[in-house]
This record gives sequence, C-alpha cells and structure tokens, in this order.
Amino acid sequence: EIVLTQSPGTLSLSPGERATLSCRASQSVSSSYLAWYQHQPGQAPRLLIYAASSRATGIPDRFSGSGSGTDFTLTISRLEPEDFAVYYCQQYGNSPFTFGPGSKLDIK
Amino acid sequence: EVQLEQSGAVVKKPGESLKISCKGSGYIFTNYWIGWVRQMPGKGLEWMGIIYPGDSDTKYSPSFQGQVTISTDTSISTAYLQWNSLKASDTAIYYCARQPTYSSAPYYFPYWGQGTLITVSS
Repeated sequence: EIVLTQSPGTLSLSPGERATLSCRASQSVSSSYLAWYQHQPGQAPRLLIYAASSRATGIPDRFSGSGSGTDFTLTISRLEPEDFAVYYCQQYGNSPFTFGPGSKLDIK
Repeated sequence: EVQLEQSGAVVKKPGESLKISCKGSGYIFTNYWIGWVRQMPGKGLEWMGIIYPGDSDTKYSPSFQGQVTISTDTSISTAYLQWNSLKASDTAIYYCARQPTYSSAPYYFPYWGQGTLITVSS
C-alpha cells in the first residue's frame, strides 16, 4: 500500500498570498496518477487536479499541480477567501487508492 | 448532468446491520466505477473501496476488507455500502463518488454524493 504524507499539517496565510502544499509518497506513483481535492466543512470534496498537473473542469488557474515519482506539490498562486479549506492528495495508480492525511489552510 | 444522490442520515445501535445507498443519474450507470470514502469525526478522507457496476468487479482497501460490503443494483442505478454488525467506530460521514468520464486510469473522483452521516451509539 502506498502511504501519502502531506505537509504542512496546517498553513496559516492571508488572502492574496501564495500557498504551497506538499504530498510525498512512500513509493513512486505510477504514471503520476496523483489527484488533489479541496474539502470545505459540510460539503463534498471537490476535485482540483488530476494526473499531477491537469486542472479539473471549472477550476480556476490560480490552482496548479506539479511533481512526479514520489514528490508532488499543489500551489495556489493568490489565495481567495474561499480557498481556506482542507486539501487532500490521492494516488490512484495502485490499489488501494489512498488519500493523504490532509493539509489545513487557514486564515492568518 | 451526473448526479449521485445518497440516502439520509441514520442512527443505529452497536451490533445492528445497515445498508446505505447512492443512486446515480445522468449517465449510464454500468459504465463507470463508483467508490466509497469515509470521513470519521474530525479526521481525514479514507478510501474504502470501489466497484464497477458493469461486472461487479470490486476492489477493497485492506483496512475495510471483510468489514463492509460494496454492491450495486444496476436495475435501479444504485450502489450500496453495507455492514452486518456496526461498531461505535463506524460513526462517520460516508461519501460515494464516481470516476471521470474519460481517463486512462479511472480511479479518481470528479463526481461526489452529498455524504451520509452514520451515528452508531448505544
């Protein structure tokens, strides 16, 4: 089973700042099959990025993903108030298709 | 429009059985994988398992294998998550989610149900 580790656990930033979230895998993620989700309290998770760097439909271009192998990054270029949430990575190259523990982005 | 409609919140006692549902609409139900994801109170997302309704091929996380059963009824475009004997530790929100329409690796989730809250308490 591939174990995903996310850092930081919590990131405190202000609107307009840049956020960089990390996801590290215990072994190489095949074909960069890595997705990122945003989860707001009381809502269903929302897919942001798939295949490490492809934005999902309707996702603003301030969200970008990068990385390969075992190290992946989600970057939010200029934080909007609605971006403060929990972010999860998921690898879907090898079953079980595990999620990371999440990174919470909160308002400074 | 792809929609996943989940059954409502339930309160059960330890040892009771339960089956929750996820009805798909707006697409051909048999053609797309549907998965289940758990979120325990104050915790993160956990991948439980996934099923292909077309042939009932099912993959479980080792953490959930033998603890739950994932199934579908294609005649009513519905997926199920079932417990035979609930425990207090099963208290959580359970989400169903569907694979993307076009993908070489269809095991991520652009489409989600609204979640079902299960509370297990004596």
